Amino acid sequence: AQRVTQPEKLLSVFKGAPVELKCNYSYSGSPELFWYVQYSRQRLQLLLRHISRESIKGFTADLNKGETSFHLKKPFAQEEDSAMYYCALPLQGAQKLVFGQGTRLTINP
Amino acid sequence: DVKVTQSSRYLVKRTGEKVFLECVQDMDHENMFWYRQDPGLGLRLIYFSYDVKMKEKGDIPEGYSVSREKKERFSLILESASTNQTSMYLCASSSTQGFGNTIYFGEGSWLTVV
Repeated sequence: AQRVTQPEKLLSVFKGAPVELKCNYSYSGSPELFWYVQYSRQRLQLLLRHISRESIKGFTADLNKGETSFHLKKPFAQEEDSAMYYCALPLQGAQKLVFGQGTRLTINP
Repeated sequence: DVKVTQSSRYLVKRTGEKVFLECVQDMDHENMFWYRQDPGLGLRLIYFSYDVKMKEKGDIPEGYSVSREKKERFSLILESASTNQTSMYLCASSSTQGFGNTIYFGEGSWLTVV
């Protein structure tokens, strides 16, 4: 079955420290993966997508097919990065997304 | 800018009541979704619609139904609300053009069933 696993429900790091939010997937074929973010009192929104290979707000994510992972990384965390992060995988001809359980990231001052 | 609007942000309903959650999008998107968001469980798909009057069950459709009479509007219906349906409900939409398209979410509807 196609699924996404985020093993950490909570992650807390200090400002300026590196951040890595883990995402593992189960998928046959070449997946297109996404990271979505929900800041406090804001709607869930796209942060970045694998196919774009871009850095958004200092975050990057690399697809590792060998480890079936798509971890989200940022070298120096900022307080405004505190949010809920979801990894997501498209299904059914890419018209639906299946989401992981989410990781709540807290950046301590 | 894509706008997905959920008409009710906060609702309190009694067990057994019929509940309607309304959602409207303004980008002429073909796809619309209802997700439920619970701590530790992430987002779970309740129903998906890929066209007017077309719907498909998601992962947790039990106790819910949907209606899509117009392209821009997708309603979630709780036939007989129960306390285990207390949750945050997220509506979303996306285009069918292309592959792996961005899904745009509404602000969410907090439903409490007492």
